Amino acid sequence: AIRMTQSPSSFSASAGDRVTITCRASQGINSYLAWYQQKPGKAPKLLIYGASTLQSGVPSRFSGSGSGTEFTLTISSLQSEDFATYYCQQYYSFLPFTFGQGTKLEIK
Amino acid sequence: QVQLQESGPGLVKPSETLSLTCTVSGGSISSSHWSWVRQPPGKGLEWIGCIYYSGSTKYNPSLQSRVTISVDTSKNQFSLRLNSATAADTAVYFCARVRDDDVYNPLEYWGQGTLITVSS
Repeated sequence: AIRMTQSPSSFSASAGDRVTITCRASQGINSYLAWYQQKPGKAPKLLIYGASTLQSGVPSRFSGSGSGTEFTLTISSLQSEDFATYYCQQYYSFLPFTFGQGTKLEIK
Repeated sequence: QVQLQESGPGLVKPSETLSLTCTVSGGSISSSHWSWVRQPPGKGLEWIGCIYYSGSTKYNPSLQSRVTISVDTSKNQFSLRLNSATAADTAVYFCARVRDDDVYNPLEYWGQGTLITVSS
């Protein structure tokens, strides 16, 4: 199975900050990488797919980049509603599709 | 707008079979792939498997010996069965739809999730 490793696992930031979350794959996955946002008690929400394509309706302050084994999710200016847990997921290899362990973004 | 809703018993006894159904509304199940994902309390997401409306399935190898996913196109539903349940299967179970017809796509629509507890 392809292992997805996110960093950091958690961190604190303030509204207005620019934040970056990193996701590394244990082997190359081309651009078959998605980012999800999950709030407590809710289902994950698809933010970005294809490593850099913004899902319809997602604010433009979210952006993704990377290819191969290293990927980043950037939030250009944190809003209060962005405090949540973020997961990356690879859908390149079906043995199985795997998620990162999550990055919890908290208010400083 | 496609909507998904999980249903099933909230409590399952150890060694018994965990069964869940996902009802799809706002769209036909006769397109795309349909998936199950679970999340143990306080932990991350685990992809269980998926089914195409034609009935072809793909399962997580770690669960393959215990999992069956099926589809009922007449009811616009798909289902999950997990045999020989243990406490380690306690989790919130989500059903979801893959973004496109190809299975190699992310999960675009999700149900709200349902907590299944395995306990005597």
